[in-house]
Amino acid sequence: DIQMTQSPSTLSASMGDTVTITCRASQGISSWLAWYQQKPGKAPKLLIYKASTLEDGVPSRFSGSGSGTEFTLTISSLQPDDFATYYCQQYHSFHTFGQGTKLEIK
Amino acid sequence: QVQLQESGPGLVKPSETLSLTCAVSGFPISSGYYWGWVRQPPGKGLEWIGGIYHTGDTYNNPTLKSRVTLSVDTSKNQFSLKLRSLTATDTAVYYCVRLRGTGSYSFWGQGTLVTVSS
Repeated sequence: DIQMTQSPSTLSASMGDTVTITCRASQGISSWLAWYQQKPGKAPKLLIYKASTLEDGVPSRFSGSGSGTEFTLTISSLQPDDFATYYCQQYHSFHTFGQGTKLEIK
Repeated sequence: QVQLQESGPGLVKPSETLSLTCAVSGFPISSGYYWGWVRQPPGKGLEWIGGIYHTGDTYNNPTLKSRVTLSVDTSKNQFSLKLRSLTATDTAVYYCVRLRGTGSYSFWGQGTLVTVSS
């Protein structure tokens, strides 16, 4: 099994800040990584796939990078709508998710 | 626009079988893509269950594989999940999804809460 570890588990930030969430894979997954945003009571929304490709309609303040075992999701100039929980997901070998990072307003 | 809608019982007894259906609109399943299921226990993270192609090829989570059956009905433009031998740990919101390739999930249903309890 490939394990995905996100850090931090919780992140406090202010409007306008730039934040970075890290996702580490227990073994190399090339660029087979996606990022999702989930708000309470709602289904997750795909933000980025193949580590750095922005899904249609996702604002350009979201960006992803990395390959192999270490990946990052960066959100620039935080907007009120960005405060949510974020998950990474690998799809190199079956599918597994990170445990989530909750982005809170400071 | 692709839309997915889950349906099924909200309460199931332990040891029984859960049956969920996902109705797809805005895109014919027979045109391609993998279609699948993801679940999320209350207050917890996401878990992939499995996916099925319109041809019937499946791609399942090994930890659940022995209890899962996926099927597709192209005539009704829907696909289904059966999960056997339920326990309380199967209590979760179940989402149906459309996969991009065999990878990320580009479209999601709204989710349906299934509680396993006697």
